[in-house]
Amino acid sequence: DGGITQSPKYLFRKEGQNVTLSCEQNLNHDAMYWYRQDPGQGLRLIYYSQIVNDFQKGDIAEGYSVSREKKESFPLTVTSAQKNPTAFYLCASSITATSYEQYFGPGTRLTVT
Amino acid sequence: GDSVTQMEGPVTLSEEAFLTINCTYTATGYPSLFWYVQYPGEGLQLLLKATKADDKGSNKGFEATYRKETTSFHLEKGSVQVSDSAVYFCALITNSGGSNYKLTFGKGTLLTVNP
Repeated sequence: DGGITQSPKYLFRKEGQNVTLSCEQNLNHDAMYWYRQDPGQGLRLIYYSQIVNDFQKGDIAEGYSVSREKKESFPLTVTSAQKNPTAFYLCASSITATSYEQYFGPGTRLTVT
Repeated sequence: GDSVTQMEGPVTLSEEAFLTINCTYTATGYPSLFWYVQYPGEGLQLLLKATKADDKGSNKGFEATYRKETTSFHLEKGSVQVSDSAVYFCALITNSGGSNYKLTFGKGTLLTVNP
């Protein structure tokens, strides 16, 4: 079955540690996205990648980093510089960056204490 | 910049009741409009879309009409079921320059349907 996988579903870290969230897709999509979801705030775009080896900052990129070395993978690192990292993180992909429809993964809930 | 405003929840209905979730938008150019649904503990799924004025998107008994004159895209369903309980997001997509298309979401509306 084609789709987007995010692992793990729940992640716990101590404050001051970097943590990397996994996102893999087997849809052969060019574009991939990372969103952050907080209660009552909808989704906010962190980073996006239109194609392999290319990525751009979204609206709230500070404290995050990404890489896109392979078409199917777009990992997100939450660094210690992110002041409020506890959130639900959603990865998405689309056929191309100009495609209307984005397909979402199941999300990873990160808790930092 | 672009923005989406949707009615604040939570919305609580009895089974078979009529549902309306209001959504209005502000955008430059001609956006495409979407409703996404998020079931508990899951990611988002596209529910329906409309790409130009007066288009009606529909799926699973839900529908929404793209009203350019009122910049609205209200979600409706004639008879809700318990299984419709979820968070609903209104969203738009516009060209943010060059080849970049940006999806902008509303804050979401939690719907709870009681048997």
